[in-house]
Amino acid sequence: QVRLAESGGGLVKPGGSLKLSCAVSGLNFGDSYMSWIRQAPGKGLEWVSYISPSGRSGSTLYYADSVKGRFTISRDNAKKSLYLQMNSLRVEDTAVYYCARGHYDLGYWGQGTLVTVSS
Amino acid sequence: EIVLTQSPGTLSLSPGERATLSCRASQSVSSNYLAWYQQKPGQAPRLLIYGASNRATGIPDRFSGSGSGTDFTLTISRLEPEDFAVYYCQQYATSPRTFGQGTKVEIK
Repeated sequence: QVRLAESGGGLVKPGGSLKLSCAVSGLNFGDSYMSWIRQAPGKGLEWVSYISPSGRSGSTLYYADSVKGRFTISRDNAKKSLYLQMNSLRVEDTAVYYCARGHYDLGYWGQGTLVTVSS
Repeated sequence: EIVLTQSPGTLSLSPGERATLSCRASQSVSSNYLAWYQQKPGQAPRLLIYGASNRATGIPDRFSGSGSGTDFTLTISRLEPEDFAVYYCQQYATSPRTFGQGTKVEIK
């Protein structure tokens, strides 16, 4: 049974930092592209970032323009975990953050973790 | 960036009726790299269709996708009570990957 479980969300002040984690089980994590997608309250979906399987330097990374230079995606294949380090957070980063498997269509999603950026 | 525009914004229908949802792209989506998702309140999106017309694993055959180029359609042949939700299209032909703004299918 495939399971993706995000954690690490919470309330943070503008300019602050937060690191999200996604623990994966039931699929071949080491061979999978992985993505982060977010959804602001009452809004649609935005692709934030994805990372290729290897996770080593030189691997393929993608960032939306809205987070480039502030967010860093990474992975630990031994721990079957995906991460999103979020720095210089803004009010507009407030959203539910989902991890998902893939970088084309997304067949498996976690339940999401809420990040609230507010003073 | 490929902009996806979904219509209508809201579709009010009764159980048993047919639902037709549209997704129009600002430029051609190569290789029909288009997916559809269903999202219910408080839940993550669920993949319904990939490659414009291929049902994902476990998706009932009342859901079908069609289209190519810039015009795509999701059809629900007979609405079941559990189908009332928000539906999103998404293209993965180019980066940035983009989603449409969603169509809400509500009970009339």
